[in-house]
Amino acid sequence: QVQLQESGPGLVKPSETLSLTCTVSGASISSYSWIWIRQPPGKGLEWIGYIHYSGSTNHNPSLKSRVTISADRSKNQFSLKVSSVTAADTAVYYCAGRRSYDDSSGYSYYYLDYWGQGTLVTVSS
Amino acid sequence: EIVLTQSPGTLSLSSGDRATLSCRASQSVSSSQLAWYQQKPGQAPRLLIYGASSRATGIPDRFSGSGSGTDFTLTISRLEPEDFAVYYCQQFDSSLYTFGQGTKLEIK
Repeated sequence: QVQLQESGPGLVKPSETLSLTCTVSGASISSYSWIWIRQPPGKGLEWIGYIHYSGSTNHNPSLKSRVTISADRSKNQFSLKVSSVTAADTAVYYCAGRRSYDDSSGYSYYYLDYWGQGTLVTVSS
Repeated sequence: EIVLTQSPGTLSLSSGDRATLSCRASQSVSSSQLAWYQQKPGQAPRLLIYGASSRATGIPDRFSGSGSGTDFTLTISRLEPEDFAVYYCQQFDSSLYTFGQGTKLEIK
């Protein structure tokens, strides 16, 4: 059974860097791609970015260059950093695992099958 | 960036009713890379449908997905009390994995 657990400070000051870690158990982080998603209070889901099992990363351009996603294979963890935070970055942050497979016709199926419980990060002085 | 627009924003129905939720993409999305999730208050989203029409493990058969190209639909054939929640579609077809803004399914 694959389990994900987010950890990190629940309160960050404006202009500082938000740092979260997702610890994966039951699967190797080298086997899947790993995603960060956030949800501001009372709002919808926003995709932040991912780290592919190859190590490549991508992130939502709306966050400009404030996002860094990395992985520590020795600890089976991946991490998120968001710099220069403002109140708009206050949200529940989720980590998730993207599963994929190719069918006999060559189509690639992707979906988020593994989710952490989420952690609330508040940006406030 | 592919924008997903869900409608309606809120759907008010009763237990036993049929629910039809729409997800429209700003450009064509491969059906294999369209998923639906259910989210209840205080919980993480849960995968319902992947590949536009395949039910995830453990999902009751009253949930079904359909569609292709730019128009996708999630149908719940007979609403149970536990189905009242918020539903999101998501696409993986571009390198930016966007979500729709969600449809809230509420009890009438």
